[in-house]
Amino acid sequence: DLQMTQSPSSLSASVGDRVTITCRTSQSVRNLLNWYQQKPGEAPKLLIYSTSILQSGVPSRFSGSGSGTDFTLSISSLQPEDFATYYCQQSYSIPNTFGPGTRVDIK
Amino acid sequence: EVKLVESGGGLAQPGRSLRLSCAPSEFTLDAYAMHWVRQAPGKGPEWVAGITWNSKSIGYADSVKGRFTISRDNAKNSLYLQMDSLRTEDTAVYYCVKDIRRNYFQGLDVWGQGTTVTVSS
Repeated sequence: DLQMTQSPSSLSASVGDRVTITCRTSQSVRNLLNWYQQKPGEAPKLLIYSTSILQSGVPSRFSGSGSGTDFTLSISSLQPEDFATYYCQQSYSIPNTFGPGTRVDIK
Repeated sequence: EVKLVESGGGLAQPGRSLRLSCAPSEFTLDAYAMHWVRQAPGKGPEWVAGITWNSKSIGYADSVKGRFTISRDNAKNSLYLQMDSLRTEDTAVYYCVKDIRRNYFQGLDVWGQGTTVTVSS
């Protein structure tokens, strides 16, 4: 199966900071890489699909880039409601694996 | 509001079976591929199974292959997950999830509230 890694596993940041999270896959997934945000007690929420397409209703401070095996989620100016755990997921091959997650908390 | 409602979770002994169901509101199931995703306590989400709108493409996680069966009945507007030979490691919240697309898997945009499955003797 295709393996997923994310870095860092956690980070501390302040409101207004720019945050970057990286996802790496063991084989190319072309552009079929998605990003989700999850807050405690809630289901994950789709932020970005197909590497860089912003899901409807998601603020424009979120952006995605990459291709092949290396992908990035960026938050341009961290807001209080952005403190959460972020997961990447590939939808290129079965099983549609999730990454291990990156926890973003308050510095 | 577009919603998904799961049912059928509960407590089961190892080796027994459970069947989860999922019904949408404010949309028809046959327009989309659908998935089941689970999340064990304190862990990240794990994709379990997916099915395209016409059931022609179905996939499973290795951890459930041969034990779980995903199916859908578009006439009844329902999605199912038959879980056989349950193991303690299947304990998790199970989410019914809608895909963006109909005939392939792209992204998971609508999630149910989840139903809890506990496997214990």
